[in-house]
Amino acid sequence: NAGVTQTPKFQVLKTGQSMTLQCAQDMNHNSMYWYRQDPGMGLRLIYYSASEGTTDKGEVPNGYNVSRLNKREFSLRLESAAPSQTSVYFCASSPGQRSGYTFGSGTRLTVV
Amino acid sequence: QKEVEQNSGPLSVPEGAIASLNCTYSDRGSQSFFWYRQYSGKSPELIMFIYSNGDKEDGRFTAQLNKASQYVSLLIRDSQPSDSATYLCAVGAGGYQKVTFGTGTKLQVIP
Repeated sequence: NAGVTQTPKFQVLKTGQSMTLQCAQDMNHNSMYWYRQDPGMGLRLIYYSASEGTTDKGEVPNGYNVSRLNKREFSLRLESAAPSQTSVYFCASSPGQRSGYTFGSGTRLTVV
Repeated sequence: QKEVEQNSGPLSVPEGAIASLNCTYSDRGSQSFFWYRQYSGKSPELIMFIYSNGDKEDGRFTAQLNKASQYVSLLIRDSQPSDSATYLCAVGAGGYQKVTFGTGTKLQVIP
């Protein structure tokens, strides 16, 4: 019973490089989310997918794109990484909008 | 003004005492309230949720909600050193992007 699986756990990028963060959940949840967590700023929503086939912007979407590949998988892409995107990224899923979230273990990303 | 406010702490309590963690929110339309525990270097873990005014108990944890005062709290009875973590308050105002997290309160339980 894996829950929410994120890969990779750590990544160092050079400014301008691109990468995709992968997320998969095995709980049959409808909704999936990408957050970033920075010291003193809490968790901020980047993008979310209310259900398979839909995606929407959150609070801080600039510089990111997402794909809801199927009900299980929701990926986050950085097209041209910037130092301001250095952060810890969490994927989460939930059964619905009034439900709490199950978080993945996170990706610690450093952009140099 | 932050939408969800928490004292960053650290809040230090002796082992066996009651830890009281507080959270205020600004959106009167908020409907759902969550407490997450986050150990250092780990991901947040949901420990309690509450939707209605009053108290909700689950083991050693009690969530308290007062919508009139826009205040939600988490009580941890018989605190243990393993409870030492950062506790995040999250408030949902309806809609998938309307969940706002506070910055968390760091709790230290002293043996």
